[in-house]
Amino acid sequence: KAGVTQTPRYLIKTRGQQVTLSCSPISGHRSVSWYQQTPGQGLQFLFEYFSETQRNKGNFPGRFSGRQFSNSRSEMNVSTLELGDSALYLCASSLGRDEQFFGPGTRLTVL
Amino acid sequence: DQQVKQNSPSLSVQEGRISILNCDYTNSMFDYFLWYKKYPAEGPTFLISISSIKDKNEDGRFTVFLNKSAKHLSLHIVPSQPGDSAVYFCAASPMNYGGSQGNLIFGKGTKLSVKP
Repeated sequence: KAGVTQTPRYLIKTRGQQVTLSCSPISGHRSVSWYQQTPGQGLQFLFEYFSETQRNKGNFPGRFSGRQFSNSRSEMNVSTLELGDSALYLCASSLGRDEQFFGPGTRLTVL
Repeated sequence: DQQVKQNSPSLSVQEGRISILNCDYTNSMFDYFLWYKKYPAEGPTFLISISSIKDKNEDGRFTVFLNKSAKHLSLHIVPSQPGDSAVYFCAASPMNYGGSQGNLIFGKGTKLSVKP
């Protein structure tokens, strides 16, 4: 079974731009969660989608948004990028109430 | 305010000996705990989990212990191998309506180095 895939793997943007990251979950997994990893804050939960609905949301500003499609693929969008948004963005999928399987992440650098 | 704390940023152990990684939490609503291992440039890999109704779960060389009264859990790796060298994250899942486990709360990780 293929694992969680994330595209792109690396991205460089400038302040004020917007960015869209993509995540394809493991086949059959309906839950997709997004996390931000930074050296200072560690792994922080952004949001979770299940069956195209946002089920949980972390404590991030409205500039961070996401969506899930009928095939369970998910995208997250960050608008009006700030320098502090530079991070590794991780996507994880699961069947529901079990362990999550993580993708390799997208490394976003904001200049 | 950190709800899941891993107070040791790093740990160095000799090959063949036991590695003990510790994790403390503050929220009594957490009911499921997980350990993940992360290598550089890769996403975290699930290792082992434990439900709050248990106090121990074992999987091969990995054992997780949960002390609910102390709000403390630990991961034991016996025997430690050089390939175990990685960053280990403790994570907790709060009880949610609908049983969602999507919003894991992570500690900041402990970097384990196993020396040959």
